[in-house]
Amino acid sequence: TQLLEQSPQFLSIQEGENLTVYCNSSSVFSSLQWYRQEPGEGPVLLVTVVTGGEVKKLKRLTFQFGDARKDSSLHITAAQPGDTGLYLCAGVRDTGRRALTFGSGTRLQVQP
Amino acid sequence: GAVVSQHPSWVICKSGTSVKIECRSLDFQATTMFWYRQFPKQSLMLMATSNEGSKATYEQGVEKDKFLINHASLTLSTLTVTSAHPEDSSFYICSARGRENQPQHFGDGTRLSIL
Repeated sequence: TQLLEQSPQFLSIQEGENLTVYCNSSSVFSSLQWYRQEPGEGPVLLVTVVTGGEVKKLKRLTFQFGDARKDSSLHITAAQPGDTGLYLCAGVRDTGRRALTFGSGTRLQVQP
Repeated sequence: GAVVSQHPSWVICKSGTSVKIECRSLDFQATTMFWYRQFPKQSLMLMATSNEGSKATYEQGVEKDKFLINHASLTLSTLTVTSAHPEDSSFYICSARGRENQPQHFGDGTRLSIL
């Protein structure tokens, strides 16, 4: 059972459409990060959210951390083919090792 | 920004061979390094956490005698897959972190294929 569940698992949309990816858990996280991964490469950090209710914007991407710090969402406005990739949320639970727990992933394909 | 280099990027070898993967932090001192495994179309699963000069902490279900981790310096950690078999074929990714409250920086991964 995945600690962090992402939905949808796969999304294929047309260029210009908007989309939202969800990352949900029953556990509380001290912080949550979103990554994008291209095939054959390591994940690249997009954003880190720390405070419950926090909203961060990165150009066409909007990230929100739930008030209870158990869930997060990523909204992309006017998607472009360059947004294609695997989107991963990852949470930090413990304050000891501060290891990342990755979500199940959302594979996004944006058709031109 | 912080750079983490992983080598090799791709390795193909026969069953029974031991394979070593290196993870280097190029421009910062990595107190902690993490090793992940990613199967096709799946997410990253943490295998182990290593702190410089200490024994690695393995996640449940990961065989420490199978996946040997050494973190002998602040810039280098190695993962050795001993007596590799086809089921060990996967994408192995390392990450490195400086201080505890700093983010992890990921390498580009190593694709391991065991024939």
